[in-house]
Amino acid sequence: QQPVQSPQAVILREGEDAVINCSSSKALYSVHWYRQKHGEAPVFLMILLKGGEQKGHDKISASFNEKKQQSSLYLTASQLSYSGTYFCGTDTSLAGGSEKLVFGKGTKLTVNP
Amino acid sequence: EPEVTQTPSHQVTQMGQEVILRCVPISNHLYFYWYRQILGQKVEFLVSFYNNEISEKSEIFDDQFSVERPDGSNFTLKIRSTKLEDSAMYFCASRRGIYNEQFFGPGTRLTVL
Repeated sequence: QQPVQSPQAVILREGEDAVINCSSSKALYSVHWYRQKHGEAPVFLMILLKGGEQKGHDKISASFNEKKQQSSLYLTASQLSYSGTYFCGTDTSLAGGSEKLVFGKGTKLTVNP
Repeated sequence: EPEVTQTPSHQVTQMGQEVILRCVPISNHLYFYWYRQILGQKVEFLVSFYNNEISEKSEIFDDQFSVERPDGSNFTLKIRSTKLEDSAMYFCASRRGIYNEQFFGPGTRLTVL
């Protein structure tokens, strides 16, 4: 069952912040975040494993709330290069470490000058 | 930096024809995947492959599809008799271990006429 992402789309001005949410109806083992630009492959951003950790690099960070079965991606002081569609991919393996990722429908982020 | 490569970048075929999409995963990776993305939609899992066999497949991956790792470096997806609805971008991905991130190749755009 695919995770639900919100919002579907967001438009920002350069320098503004955004939060993208990803929630699952099933217990999550891990959440993977990717950014995809038009006509290109998804590019890995970060992986969050079960345990409620928060991760980040540069001005992009993410949190993972295992109990709520959701993850959020935080983009601060957005840059033009952040534009693209953001996908979360979820792993719901109970055994830990499944084979596949199930992706949400994506959040289209547009950053304008 | 090592990367996943895919050939061809674009394949045009007639309905009913067979196509083979090729991928070279990152060399020390052990888990291999095929995903597809219909234009404007989310990334969908097709199949995962580990230890020279399919470990999981989706409902999309019916008898018309097959995968092979013929020589220890290439990973191929074959569609035996293409249908119009097979038109999509096909991404290969690989990961070193099940707790690691998946890296995507640049994709092959398949157009079935």
